[in-house]
Amino acid sequence: DAGITQSPRHKVTETGTPVTLRCHQTENHRYMYWYRQDPGHGLRLIHYSYGVKDTDKGEVSDGYSVSRSKTEDFLLTLESATSSQTSVYFCAISETGGDEKLFFGSGTQLSVL
Amino acid sequence: RKEVEQDPGPFNVPEGATVAFNCTYSNSASQSFFWYRQDCRKEPKLLMSVYSSGNEDGRFTAQLNRASQYISLLIRDSKLSDSATYLCVAPRDDKIIFGKGTRLHILP
Repeated sequence: DAGITQSPRHKVTETGTPVTLRCHQTENHRYMYWYRQDPGHGLRLIHYSYGVKDTDKGEVSDGYSVSRSKTEDFLLTLESATSSQTSVYFCAISETGGDEKLFFGSGTQLSVL
Repeated sequence: RKEVEQDPGPFNVPEGATVAFNCTYSNSASQSFFWYRQDCRKEPKLLMSVYSSGNEDGRFTAQLNRASQYISLLIRDSKLSDSATYLCVAPRDDKIIFGKGTRLHILP
């Protein structure tokens, strides 16, 4: 299995608090992605990164920011969490982007109360 | 039109039967396509890649129809363990967009 670690695995927080999810990889892959998955919506792309300090928006980026200061780490931040951001968040990596397969982390279950 | 569309199902299929489902995509520039399998509460995992007209791996066959802009997944001699959600991917440059997935239930 690809070396991808997401932390935390589970988090419960309150509306209005900041939350940061971390994705760490040991594969030295250039591309990293954040998705959220909700019933009835499937996997939706939040943000992705194509290199250190290079990021771009996905389908549902409002309310989220990301940072990638090192190849191995991709952080997803909810500046002020809302209940609509309760979801399962998956990180994924790819060696060369769109033409290559993705490897996923195990996911983070986030509940915003 | 959404970038990637799939019939959500569920498909309820008896064990041993053949089942097929399609995925349509809107970006005619997409060159490679993928099917992922996702078990309940687990991360998606790659099932098959489709780079040209199709691909076959054991009981699984994926076919690409560029003229009509769809890819299909065929599962022969279905097993109980094939019960899962199947996700289609049609990358648009480096934005990897997923379909909503098709749920498959194999019935004993």
